[in-house]
Amino acid sequence: KAGVTQTPRYLIKTRGQQVTLSCSPISGHRSVSWYQQTPGQGLQFLFEYFSETQRNKGNFPGRFSGRQFSNSRSEMNVSTLELGDSALYLCASSLAASLLNEQFFGPGTRLTVL
Amino acid sequence: AQSVTQPDIHITVSEGASLELRCNYSYGATPYLFWYVQSPGQGLQLLLKYFSGDTLVQGIKGFEAEFKRSQSSFNLRKPSVHWSDAAEYFCAVVITGGGNKLTFGTGTQLKVEL
Repeated sequence: KAGVTQTPRYLIKTRGQQVTLSCSPISGHRSVSWYQQTPGQGLQFLFEYFSETQRNKGNFPGRFSGRQFSNSRSEMNVSTLELGDSALYLCASSLAASLLNEQFFGPGTRLTVL
Repeated sequence: AQSVTQPDIHITVSEGASLELRCNYSYGATPYLFWYVQSPGQGLQLLLKYFSGDTLVQGIKGFEAEFKRSQSSFNLRKPSVHWSDAAEYFCAVVITGGGNKLTFGTGTQLKVEL
């Protein structure tokens, strides 16, 4: 069974631009969560989607948004990029809609904002 | 506020030596606790979790962790470390109520000397 895939793996953008990251969960998994990992702030929870609905949200500004499609694939969008948005963005999928379920993480998308 | 603390940023052990990684949490009720490992270039992988019951939990790769309510700790242990265990280890807690949120500690970087 294929694992969680994230595209692209690397991305370079400039301040003010917007970016869309994609995550394909493990087949059969319906929950997708997103995390931001930076050296300064560590791993921070962004949001969780299940059945195309956002169920939980972390403490990030509205520039960070996401959505989930009917096939459970998810996208995350960051608008008006700032230097501080440079990070590794991790996606995780799980079978059910609870962060208590084991989450399977993808390798991440490394975003660099110049 | 609820939090997870990993006091040790870096730890170096010799191959074959025992390992203990510390994790302390700050939360009023019994938390849902996890340990994850992140190898270079890899996504996070769940090592073990504690929800309730036996306070000593066994995980994958020979790891175990013990929940101690009196010390608000959930330390990760391994009796004999292998060179392939070199990675970053994250303790995490799910705070329930008002929307579940997965909160990670800052991580402990483990180096294994041959």
